[in-house]
Amino acid sequence: AQRVTQPEKLLSVFKGAPVELKCNYSYSGSPELFWYVQYSRQRLQLLLRHISRESIKGFTADLNKGETSFHLKKPFAQEEDSAMYYCALRGGKLVFGKGTKLTVNP
Amino acid sequence: EPEVTQTPSHQVTQMGQEVILRCVPISNHLYFYWYRQILGQKVEFLVSFYNNEISEKSEIFDDQFSVERPDGSNFTLKIRSTKLEDSAMYFCASALAALAKNIQYFGAGTRLSVL
Repeated sequence: AQRVTQPEKLLSVFKGAPVELKCNYSYSGSPELFWYVQYSRQRLQLLLRHISRESIKGFTADLNKGETSFHLKKPFAQEEDSAMYYCALRGGKLVFGKGTKLTVNP
Repeated sequence: EPEVTQTPSHQVTQMGQEVILRCVPISNHLYFYWYRQILGQKVEFLVSFYNNEISEKSEIFDDQFSVERPDGSNFTLKIRSTKLEDSAMYFCASALAALAKNIQYFGAGTRLSVL
């Protein structure tokens, strides 16, 4: 069965502080992992995916198959990073975690 | 930049009524999806659609639900007899391809309120 766990419902940091949003997954096959972001009053949009190994808006995420994790990191958070972040796994269908609401305080 | 468009943005209906939620996927996309998000809960997969047929559906997608691509541009979700628990945000998504190149682009959602 596919499962995505985001253990933190809420995460609050100060501007300039590092931020890590945790994501763990369960899947027996070879997973595709994604991070989607939803800014206030905007649609869900793809932030990054593990196969690209890219940095978007300063965020990176590394797939760790040993720990079955795909944590999202940014070394210096900005106020405009405040949003809902969803980790998602695609084996067949796209399965989302419950999301983490990130608030970056000034 | 092309977007997935959903209408209406908010739909209010009485329990037992039929509703049709409409989506216009990105024009050259081939894979279409519906998801829903009950308030305070996670985004849940409902159904995927490719080549004019359902390719996968979840246990949520029972006989009360149906999808259709009535023409070359629209992709609709019909709920035949709405229940209170159908109240949720419904998101449409489309993708150019499946699997390795799969980036699903989401619409802004339709908020369905069943009274």
